[in-house]
Amino acid sequence: GDSVTQTEGQVALSEEDFLTIHCNYSASGYPALFWYVQYPGEGPQFLFRASRDKEKGSSRGFEATYDKGTTSFHLRKASVQESDSAVYYCALGDRSNNRIFFGDGTQLVVKP
Amino acid sequence: GPKVLQIPSHQIIDMGQMVTLNCDPVSNHLYFYWYKQILGQQMEFLVNFYNGKVMEKSKLFKDQFSVERPDGSYFTLKIQPTALEDSAVYFCASSPRLGVGAETLYFGSGTRLTVL
Repeated sequence: GDSVTQTEGQVALSEEDFLTIHCNYSASGYPALFWYVQYPGEGPQFLFRASRDKEKGSSRGFEATYDKGTTSFHLRKASVQESDSAVYYCALGDRSNNRIFFGDGTQLVVKP
Repeated sequence: GPKVLQIPSHQIIDMGQMVTLNCDPVSNHLYFYWYKQILGQQMEFLVNFYNGKVMEKSKLFKDQFSVERPDGSYFTLKIQPTALEDSAVYFCASSPRLGVGAETLYFGSGTRLTVL
């Protein structure tokens, strides 16, 4: 079945550090890929998506590129801020059944 | 951006009682979802709903669970009877597009359910 794997459970950085959160997926078809961000006490918020191979999604300085060859959609940001501290979810959208599959999430902690 | 409202934000009930969680989705959206999140764990899909019917449900969507959206009002998740393991945060989500699995979900802030 479809699934998403996020390698890092938690990432701790200092402000202005470079961020990478790894996401790999497994799907039988050609899914859409998403990143969501969840702040404490809130529901996940859509960050951005990509729908086809080599497409780059981006928002608020975060970006990820759909790579069908390596089945990856890694999240990157060149310079993180303390306000970026949150849980980040990689997700996969199955076009056949309208279901979104979430990864386990990665807790990002950015220290000033 | 579009807002999904969930009522109540917290609910505490005794095991065996019935509970109804309410969701007011984005007004022009067509697909509705419930997800369950136990504290510190991942988001888990429960069910999606379109045109008055359950389209797909996961193994977590037990027989004690039901969903409905009567006459375009709240999209509800009912649990009857509740069990201790139902304690979690339940997130409602909606999306605007028909038949496209790639569409963006908009989430509410969740209802924290505690079953004693």
